[in-house]
Amino acid sequence: DGGITQSPKYLFRKEGQNVTLSCEQNLNHDAMYWYRQDPGQGLRLIYYSQIVNDFQKGDIAEGYSVSREKKESFPLTVTSAQKNPTAFYLCASRRTRNSPLHFGNGTRLTVT
Amino acid sequence: ELKVEQNPLFLSMQEGKNYTIYCNYSTTSDRLYWYRQDPGKSLESLFVLLSNGAVKQEGRLMASLDTKARLSTLHITAAVHDLSATYFCAVDKETSGSRLTFGEGTQLTVNP
Repeated sequence: DGGITQSPKYLFRKEGQNVTLSCEQNLNHDAMYWYRQDPGQGLRLIYYSQIVNDFQKGDIAEGYSVSREKKESFPLTVTSAQKNPTAFYLCASRRTRNSPLHFGNGTRLTVT
Repeated sequence: ELKVEQNPLFLSMQEGKNYTIYCNYSTTSDRLYWYRQDPGKSLESLFVLLSNGAVKQEGRLMASLDTKARLSTLHITAAVHDLSATYFCAVDKETSGSRLTFGEGTQLTVNP
């Protein structure tokens, strides 16, 4: 079955540490996205990539970094520069601009 | 900057009743998407609306798009408890380079 796999499901870190969230897809989609969701709120775009070796900042990129070395993979690093990293992180991909986003199951990050 | 506004943000309904959720957006777009999110879960695609006047129906849910008014509606007919969830609309701005902007979400509770 094709889909998007995010790991881990839950992640706990101490303040000041960088942490990398994994996102892998086997849907053969070119475009991939990272969104952040805070409790009771909508989704905010962190980074997106339309093709391998290329990515663009979203609305809240500060304190985050990404890479897109392979079509299947779009990892997100939450750096110590991100002031409020505790949130639910969702990775998504889509086939074309006329297609909906397919979402992974998310990673819930808690930083204390 | 593209703004997407949903209303109401919270909706409590009785089973069997009808209601409409509204999604307004601030700039020209002809691609609008509706998603459902259950508590603690990821997002599931419901509808893809790609042109003015588009109407899609699935079970007790019907979505429509009026690009001239920059408005989409999600109509619920004869609500049942299983429809309790948070519903998001998302807009793909024509010149945004394949990025979606989400509304804040409408938290729907259907009471027996």
